[in-house]
Amino acid sequence: KAGVTQTPRYLIKTRGQQVTLSCSPISGHRSVSWYQQTPGQGLQFLFEYFSETQRNKGNFPGRFSGRQFSNSRSEMNVSTLELGDSALYLCASSHGTSGRVTYEQYFGPGTRLTVT
Amino acid sequence: AQSVTQPDIHITVSEGASLELRCNYSYGATPYLFWYVQSPGQGLQLLLKYFSGDTLVQGIKGFEAEFKRSQSSFNLRKPSVHWSDAAEYFCAVGAGAAGNKLTFGGGTRVLVKP
Repeated sequence: KAGVTQTPRYLIKTRGQQVTLSCSPISGHRSVSWYQQTPGQGLQFLFEYFSETQRNKGNFPGRFSGRQFSNSRSEMNVSTLELGDSALYLCASSHGTSGRVTYEQYFGPGTRLTVT
Repeated sequence: AQSVTQPDIHITVSEGASLELRCNYSYGATPYLFWYVQSPGQGLQLLLKYFSGDTLVQGIKGFEAEFKRSQSSFNLRKPSVHWSDAAEYFCAVGAGAAGNKLTFGGGTRVLVKP
């Protein structure tokens, strides 16, 4: 089975711009979660989508948003970029069901976003 | 809310020596516990997981971890380290019914001396 894929792998943007990152989960996985990784804050949970619905959300400003499509692929969007948004953004997929959470997640390679 | 502490930021170990990475969690009930490894520039790879049952769990690459409820710990061990084990290791806890959310520790960077 192919793993979690993320595109693009690297991105350079300017302050004030917006960016969209994409994630394709492992085939059959219906849950997609996003995490931000920075040297200062470590790994922080952004949000999780299951069956096209946001099921959980971390403590990030509204500039961070996401969505999930019917094929379980997910995108996250960051608007009005700030220098502090420079980070590795990791997507993780999980088999998941509507009534049971396993927390067992498989991560993609990440998208390295640099904001200048 | 749950939390995870990895007390050691860096550990240096000689190749062939044993390795133990510490992880302490805070959560009221029995959590779901994980260890992940991250090589430079890469995503996270799942090493092993604990949900319930036997408190000593085996993972990939020769790693094992032991869940100790009384100490709220889930320490990772490897009997003999290889140079390729140099990486950053993260302990994580999943808890609650609100969906798939992992809370991670700050990570431990392992350096392997030849």
